[in-house]
Amino acid sequence: GEDVEQSLFLSVREGDSSVINCTYTDSSSTYLYWYKQEPGAGLQLLTYIFSNMDMKQDQRLTVLLNKKDKHLSLRIADTQTGDSAIYFCAELDRGASKIIFGSGTRLSIRP
Amino acid sequence: EADIYQTPRYLVIGTGKKITLECSQTMGHDKMYWYQQDPGMELHLIHYSYGVNSTEKGDLSSESTVSRIRTEHFPLTLESARPSHTSQYLCASSQIHGETNYGYTFGSGTRLTVV
Repeated sequence: GEDVEQSLFLSVREGDSSVINCTYTDSSSTYLYWYKQEPGAGLQLLTYIFSNMDMKQDQRLTVLLNKKDKHLSLRIADTQTGDSAIYFCAELDRGASKIIFGSGTRLSIRP
Repeated sequence: EADIYQTPRYLVIGTGKKITLECSQTMGHDKMYWYQQDPGMELHLIHYSYGVNSTEKGDLSSESTVSRIRTEHFPLTLESARPSHTSQYLCASSQIHGETNYGYTFGSGTRLTVV
């Protein structure tokens, strides 16, 4: 079946950029997503990118998509303590009409 | 404001009790989902529904059951709770228009502890 993989942990210094990486297997995915989960809360959609795009920027967030390598990344510029959370990469499995989530990357910020 | 609501937020219950976790959405979404989330973060799809009177089992086998009698309501029931059911349960909904899918909207979750 379809699979989405991402590293489990990332630690960055406050003010630096964070880059969270993800790989996926479904080459026919039309939509790819980044979700953020803060402690004790549900998942919040941060941004999504359509498969015919290479890049999408929204304020401090930049999403890069490499379709050839099936690689998706989320860059957070000027990382703040409020960015501490778990970030989930996800792809739309069109065949099953479901979204497949990665295992999540826990981002921690050090002073 | 359109949203998705889960109640209760926290529940501590004894082994063998029957419980129902509530999920309601005001967005008119056709599709609804229940996920179980490990302490180690991974999400497991346990049930989903494509509309009224439609329910399907997800990727992870679960002893829970669901119903979808109304579009906006998708409750999850455990007939006899066990300590192994202790987890975070997340409800989500989505709408697909043709080729467009803007992702799932999630509720805040119910943290269930069975003692």
